Amino acid sequence: ILNVEQSPQSLHVQEGDSTNFTCSFPSSNFYALHWYRWETAKSPEALFVMTLNGDEKKKGRISATLNTKEGYSYLYIKGSQPEDSATYLCATPTGNQFYFGTGTSLTVIP
Amino acid sequence: SAVISQKPSRDICQRGTSLTIQCQVDSQVTMMFWYRQQPGQSLTLIATANQGSEATYESGFVIDKFPISRPNLTFSTLTVSNMSPEDSSIYLCSVTTPGLQETQYFGPGTRLLVL
Repeated sequence: ILNVEQSPQSLHVQEGDSTNFTCSFPSSNFYALHWYRWETAKSPEALFVMTLNGDEKKKGRISATLNTKEGYSYLYIKGSQPEDSATYLCATPTGNQFYFGTGTSLTVIP
Repeated sequence: SAVISQKPSRDICQRGTSLTIQCQVDSQVTMMFWYRQQPGQSLTLIATANQGSEATYESGFVIDKFPISRPNLTFSTLTVSNMSPEDSSIYLCSVTTPGLQETQYFGPGTRLLVL
């Protein structure tokens, strides 16, 4: 069992603020790090797959960085909007199994 | 990518009863998985649904409690048997597309409350 941790557990920000949160994972035998966005009553949606140390990925106002040596990834949201409100999950695969963090629940207040 | 539907989307059940959740994928896939997320917990893998053979269960999950069927490459069911309030969770099915950057696609989930 891999220990994947996310912090903070929940976050409330004002519309227009930028925010970030963290995913920590074991750095040994690393293969990939996935970020998902999970809106209420919808399917978790894949945001990024990151594999290389120093990777940076960007999708609109959302970006992510990866440090495989120290075992963490940051997700950044610039200029948060109410539609960004969701739970953000990270996961790392080993073999056929993905190990998920507990998620960061983001609420953007209009 | 893959589009996945689940039925029911939510249910409220009495303890001691069983509920079968259906998962339908819009394309043939090799790997199908069942997860659950209990309140405040991580998404946890229950089992891998294998087409034509018995499902592969993760530690802590057994076939008698969570029987799984996989009659073809686009459909699977998960039954939550003899339910107790501890089974109240979100249950999701997912599929994996092969490739260098393997990604999991999820259904919308089944929200189960056991009274």
